[in-house]
Amino acid sequence: LAKTTQPISMDSYEGQEVNITCSHNNIATNDYITWYQQFPSQGPRFIIQGYKTKVTNEVASLFIPADRKSSTLSLPRVSLSDTAVYYCLDTGGFKTIFGAGTRLFVKA
Amino acid sequence: GAVVSQHPSRVICKSGTSVKIECRSLDFQATTMFWYRQFPKQSLMLMATSNEGSKATYEQGVEKDKFLINHASLTLSTLTVTSAHPEDSSFYICSAGTTADTQYFGPGTRLTVL
Repeated sequence: LAKTTQPISMDSYEGQEVNITCSHNNIATNDYITWYQQFPSQGPRFIIQGYKTKVTNEVASLFIPADRKSSTLSLPRVSLSDTAVYYCLDTGGFKTIFGAGTRLFVKA
Repeated sequence: GAVVSQHPSRVICKSGTSVKIECRSLDFQATTMFWYRQFPKQSLMLMATSNEGSKATYEQGVEKDKFLINHASLTLSTLTVTSAHPEDSSFYICSAGTTADTQYFGPGTRLTVL
């Protein structure tokens, strides 16, 4: 069973900031929080990873509160090419289990 | 960054034949690799954990005699779908990582069984 829950789908418009929230109700102390992006007929692509507080890289920011029971992936100024499925995962255990993911649709 | 490749990218075969899919870590060594299956509009489902030099560990409901996994070296794992049937048609994805925290995924293999 997946350990995380997230909205099934989200819509946005080009140029907007998109925030996708994930619940990590069963996260283990040693687990990291990792987000992946997947386009149709491709393998998931690593976006960002964090343990606590805020992490930022060239494509996204990740906000993790002190209790680590949730995380928010922030995509600044999305474009049409950001239309994809986004997965949040608890990682660090023996195996990685995927939840349903959030299908983001960016409109022109 | 860490790169994982898969070969072939797509394969079409007749029912009853066997198909082998290769997964390679190109710039790092991986003692453990993972195999997933993904049906259209669904999430990735973990099939098995491939361990270098030992037997694979299969998830519940995955037939080990049908999905043969061999992890002969630190950079190569293979998945063989034996006696494939149309219901085995799916997108097969492997992953590997240098640490338990981060997995890097291959591009996937589209299997179509006629």
